Amino acid sequence: DAKTTQPNSMESNEEEPVHLPCNHSTISGTDYIHWYRQLPSQGPEYVIHGLTSNVNNRMASLAIAEDRKSSTLILHRATLRDAAVYYCILRVGSSNTGKLIFGQGTTLQVKP
Amino acid sequence: DAGVIQSPRHEVTEMGQEVTLRCKPISGHNSLFWYRQTMMRGLELLIYFNNNVPIDDSGMPEDRFSAKMPNASFSTLKIQPSEPRDSAVYFCASSLSWDNQPQHFGDGTRLSIL
Repeated sequence: DAKTTQPNSMESNEEEPVHLPCNHSTISGTDYIHWYRQLPSQGPEYVIHGLTSNVNNRMASLAIAEDRKSSTLILHRATLRDAAVYYCILRVGSSNTGKLIFGQGTTLQVKP
Repeated sequence: DAGVIQSPRHEVTEMGQEVTLRCKPISGHNSLFWYRQTMMRGLELLIYFNNNVPIDDSGMPEDRFSAKMPNASFSTLKIQPSEPRDSAVYFCASSLSWDNQPQHFGDGTRLSIL
């Protein structure tokens, strides 16, 4: 499975934008980029996913580099509730597998 | 809308006892996943089902672990006999299908084996 690399931790101020980076230099053409987050004492929560084009939803935006070797999850205005571990995951699109392979993720702290 | 429901939320039992964790997926979802989370190993996929059929159980640690999905609305993960190293948070997730559909996770069962 292709691997992702994320910083262990990041800090942000409340109401400011947050850019969470993810490197995936060994990504293949059919791998989708998924982001999940896990709030304290809760199960992981789906955030967003994409293949090649940038994606937006009510929670966040996903910016994918043109060569697809990296991506950035953008939280437009961080709130205290956004403090969580954020996981960047590559999911194989061409084979019949539902596997999510979670790495260590980035722990985001949001300061008031 | 009800999400994925897991029970019990917490379980404390002695080594050697049988443990059964339960999961009710979101209605209409065809795929169900069992994960385990520990500090040392993070989140690991144990097994997943599609249309009630086990597809991949390569993550099940050993024969003491078994999982069933007798119908579309219920699944169990059983550990027999339990050992202290099985202590972890166990999550169940479901999705519309097993490809790139988002997975919806329950709140987990925190299992402690003494």
